[in-house]
Amino acid sequence: NAGVTQTPKFRVLKTGQSMTLLCAQDMNHEYMYWYRQDPGMGLRLIHYSVGEGTTAKGEVPDGYNVSRLKKQNFLLGLESAAPSQTSVYFCASSYSSAEPYGYTFGSGTRLTVV
Amino acid sequence: GENVEQHPSTLSVQEGDSAVIKCTYSDSASNYFPWYKQELGKRPQLIIDIRSNVGEKKDQRIAVTLNKTAKHFSLHITETQPEDSAVYFCAASIGGYQKVTFGTGTKLQVIP
Repeated sequence: NAGVTQTPKFRVLKTGQSMTLLCAQDMNHEYMYWYRQDPGMGLRLIHYSVGEGTTAKGEVPDGYNVSRLKKQNFLLGLESAAPSQTSVYFCASSYSSAEPYGYTFGSGTRLTVV
Repeated sequence: GENVEQHPSTLSVQEGDSAVIKCTYSDSASNYFPWYKQELGKRPQLIIDIRSNVGEKKDQRIAVTLNKTAKHFSLHITETQPEDSAVYFCAASIGGYQKVTFGTGTKLQVIP
């Protein structure tokens, strides 16, 4: 039982390049989320999904796209990376209406855009 | 949308003393309040949570209190130990499974 797995763990991109971050969970969670963490700003929600085939915008969605083609996977894409997207990205998942509540987080992806 | 404010941003205590972190929220519909601990370089992990129908919850040295009228909740850590050193995040949501809004974090340092 791996929980929530994120790949890659580290990445350096040049401005304008694209990349996809993968989040995979094996807990049969309905809900999945992408957050970014920046110093002094806590965790801010980028996009989230309440089920396979559905996505929704969070607090800071600009510059990112997501897809959830399978229940266990949630992909975060950067089409044209900018230095402002340098951050640590965390994926999380949770049950829908069933307890236990609370998120299970992945181990994070440290992205640097130069 | 929901707004969660957290204070203080940094907190240093002597080992064995107590630590208190306070948060306020803006949306009166929020009814689930988790706390996460993030050690350096690690992922956030849920340490305790409380729902709006409960005023206080304890788990060993950790307790959380909730004042719905004032819309604030607090984390209390007693008999602090060096391994309690971490960043703590409070959060609020409507329903435990819906999108959670986090506070900006408190860096707790326990001095041996």
